[in-house]
Amino acid sequence: DQQVKQNSPSLSVQEGRISILNCDYTNSMFDYFLWYKKYPAEGPTFLISISSIKDKNEDGRFTVFLNKSAKHLSLHIVPSQPGDSAVYFCAAVVAGSYQLTFGKGTKLSVIP
Amino acid sequence: GAGVSQSPSNKVTEKGKDVELRCDPISGHTALYWYRQSLGQGLEFLIYFQGNSAPDKSGLPSDRFSAERTGGSVSTLTIQRTQQEDSAVYLCASSFDPYEQYFGPGTRLTVT
Repeated sequence: DQQVKQNSPSLSVQEGRISILNCDYTNSMFDYFLWYKKYPAEGPTFLISISSIKDKNEDGRFTVFLNKSAKHLSLHIVPSQPGDSAVYFCAAVVAGSYQLTFGKGTKLSVIP
Repeated sequence: GAGVSQSPSNKVTEKGKDVELRCDPISGHTALYWYRQSLGQGLEFLIYFQGNSAPDKSGLPSDRFSAERTGGSVSTLTIQRTQQEDSAVYLCASSFDPYEQYFGPGTRLTVT
């Protein structure tokens, strides 16, 4: 039973355009959400996060939106750059727990 | 500063053999985590340590898997009597808090 779902295994976007990566979750106890980015042969690196008390968090070109009622979050990258090409994982955690639950990832390809 | 390191980077072993995977966390990080990523899957939580104790072992797939952490630092993940389904990338992470985990590059385990 997947509690965090990334339904798009891959996404291609033209350089300079917006990339939108989506994530859905089923566990209403999740109260903190994170996005990690992973290059081949490297471990995931933390990108941006959002608490369930917020609906938006922005960091430079990266913005995460949270819709609690829909149990949906998305990561927007504007403008997309070729160096953004990587696998992006959505993760969620329950307050007080140390266990991150990850989605299967979305491979983003930014085409020059 | 030094990040999380893991050794070996690659390990090929015969079915039925035991393997040990090592993780050196970031100095001062109290929490340490083990995950594995099988082909086409997300990151699967295995175990986490707070200091030297492991309050949550719920993710270990079977009793062939064990882990220990000594001195609040280095951790080893041991897989006994390896099976082909154990083939995966094993990732270690460390953190001060559960929300921003720093990952190592992983150990790619292949069981033939």
